Amino acid sequence: DAGVTQSPTHLIKTRGQQVTLRCSPKSGHDTVSWYQQALGQGPQFIFQYYEEEERQRGNFPDRFSGHQFPNYSSELNVNALLLGDSALYLCASSLYRAELYEQYFGPGTRLTVT
Amino acid sequence: ILNVEQSPQSLHVQEGDSTNFTCSFPSSNFYALHWYRWETAKSPEALFVMTLNGDEKKKGRISATLNTKEGYSYLYIKGSQPEDSATYLCAFNRGSTLGRLYFGRGTQLTVWP
Repeated sequence: DAGVTQSPTHLIKTRGQQVTLRCSPKSGHDTVSWYQQALGQGPQFIFQYYEEEERQRGNFPDRFSGHQFPNYSSELNVNALLLGDSALYLCASSLYRAELYEQYFGPGTRLTVT
Repeated sequence: ILNVEQSPQSLHVQEGDSTNFTCSFPSSNFYALHWYRWETAKSPEALFVMTLNGDEKKKGRISATLNTKEGYSYLYIKGSQPEDSATYLCAFNRGSTLGRLYFGRGTQLTVWP
């Protein structure tokens, strides 16, 4: 049973560019959440997708957007990249109506903005 | 802003030592408390999820307790081994935003042989 997978593993972009990160959830899961972990910080919630709609959003600007596909996989898009967007981006999958809201994480995508 | 605090930030122990770390969180609007173990270059791995005041969970040499009234959880590792070296993260679920986890910064544990 494949767990949560993310691609790419690493990415280097230049300020002002746009980036797309991808996530495939654990088999059987229907919900994908994205988190950003900056250096020295805990993961910060960006947003959550269920039934192809954004259900919750953290305190991130509109430059951060996402999408969920019918097969439950998801993309995170960041436009007009800033140096401060350099971070590890984690994807987590879960079942929307699970009682304990357990989230299963992928290994992350390391984004470096130069 | 919802603060989840973990202490200590890092910990170095000898093989065989027992250790514990703390996670503190807001006691209001509590739903669940999660502990994750995160080894370098791997995915965070779920250890425990606890919901009830007084909950105690155990997995092998690792155990956790929960006090929702005062807003803290302890994670204990008995007889630490080098393979326990990892960052231990706690995360809090609020009742009003159930699908969203609020994380602490983690405790980085290094166990020396």
